[in-house]
Amino acid sequence: GQSLEQPSEVTAVEGAIVQINCTYQTSGFYGLSWYQQHDGGAPTFLSYNALDGLEETGRFSSFLSRSDSYGYLLLQELQMKDSASYFCAVMIGDNFNKFYFGSGTKLNVKP
Amino acid sequence: NAGVTQTPKFRILKIGQSMTLQCTQDMNHNYMYWYRQDPGMGLKLIYYSVGAGITDKGEVPNGYNVSRSTTEDFPLRLELAAPSQTSVYFCASSSTLDRGLFGPGTRLTVL
Repeated sequence: GQSLEQPSEVTAVEGAIVQINCTYQTSGFYGLSWYQQHDGGAPTFLSYNALDGLEETGRFSSFLSRSDSYGYLLLQELQMKDSASYFCAVMIGDNFNKFYFGSGTKLNVKP
Repeated sequence: NAGVTQTPKFRILKIGQSMTLQCTQDMNHNYMYWYRQDPGMGLKLIYYSVGAGITDKGEVPNGYNVSRSTTEDFPLRLELAAPSQTSVYFCASSSTLDRGLFGPGTRLTVL
């Protein structure tokens, strides 16, 4: 089976930088995705890493180390609207693409 | 494009009743998925499909059935509703090695 671990909750202040870690154990690993979900909303895609290294998209960056089975999401210049839950998800690609999600990290951004 | 649409948005069922959750996508994605999300938890994969006529079980398939007669539609069937199936159900679609695009969700309560 698959297992993913991420912190349950993180608090940071507006304008700061926060890193949300994700470690995983899985077989048939293809890549690691990150999703944002506001309360009552649907998950929305943020980033996807298939190769080792850092991917940057505006204020958000995502990192993957396949050898360490580890990744993180880095949020810079935090804004109040970034308060949400963030999920890492492994994509398993043995024959078909399947996503398995972690339990999520609730980010609280304070003024 | 409308993206991924789900109906109904909300539903209350009595124990033992049946219902079908509808999901439609207009992006010609081959891959479609059904997830459930319990309060404060991550998403659990129920069923997935890699194309019309092909479906397979995910992590938590018991109590559910699916069909994929067309590329666009991927309905989820609950045959004998139980309180344990109270959850938010998300449908998602994706193309190969791409992000998952989620529908707005169906909030189901079984009493």
